[in-house]
Amino acid sequence: AQTVTQSQPEMSVQEAETVTLSCTYDTSESDYYLFWYKQPPSRQMILVIRQEAYKQQNATENRFSVNFQKAAKSFSLKISDSQLGDAAMYFCAYRTRNTPLVFGKGTRLSVIA
Amino acid sequence: DAGVTQSPTHLIKTRGQHVTLRCSPISGHKSVSWYQQVLGQGPQFIFQYYEKEERGRGNFPDRFSARQFPNYSSELNVNALLLGDSALYLCASSLGHPGDYGYTFGSGTRLTVV
Repeated sequence: AQTVTQSQPEMSVQEAETVTLSCTYDTSESDYYLFWYKQPPSRQMILVIRQEAYKQQNATENRFSVNFQKAAKSFSLKISDSQLGDAAMYFCAYRTRNTPLVFGKGTRLSVIA
Repeated sequence: DAGVTQSPTHLIKTRGQHVTLRCSPISGHKSVSWYQQVLGQGPQFIFQYYEKEERGRGNFPDRFSARQFPNYSSELNVNALLLGDSALYLCASSLGHPGDYGYTFGSGTRLTVV
C-alpha cells in the first residue's frame, strides 16, 4: 500500500524568511503524481503545487517550489518570502492515474511576524 | 462559477443515529470523492463516484454508503453513528478522466457525534 509520511508535525518561520516542509512516500509504481495542499482554518483543502513523477524538472508556483527526489522518494515543499497568510496545515499527497489521493498527516506551519 | 458546495456545514448527532451529507460538484465535473478527516490527521478516502457508478471504496465499514445523482451531486450516508465517526467530511469534485488530477475540495461538513 502507498504511504505518505510527513515527519514534522509543526514548523514555524519568520515572516519574509524561507521554510522547507518534508515529505517522503512509499510506492512501487513508476507513474504517479505528488501534491502539496494547504488547509487554512476555513477547512477548505487548497492545491498549492503538483508534480508529475515522469517530469525531472521541479515544479514552481510563485513563492512555492518543490524538491522532488524520485530515487529517494522525497518531495519537499519550499516556501520563500513567507507571509502571514501562509500559516495553515500543509498536507503532502500522492496518487496514481487510477487511484485516489493518499494524504500524509500534515505539518502545521506558523508564521511569526 | 460556484465551487464545490457541501451541506450542512456543521452537524451534531447522537450515537446510533443516521446522517446524510450532501455535495454539489463544480459545473462540468462528473466525479465526486468523499474523504474523512479526523482531528489531527490527514484526510482518508471513503468513496469515489463517476457517472453515478462507484469507482472506488476505501477501508470503511458497510455503515458508510454513498450515491451520485444524474446531476452529479452526491450524498454520503452513515448509519448507526459511533463516537469515532466524529470528523470533518470533505467532498472533492473532478472531471473524472483517468489521470485527471484536478481535484477541487469543498469546505467540508463538521460532524460531531455525542
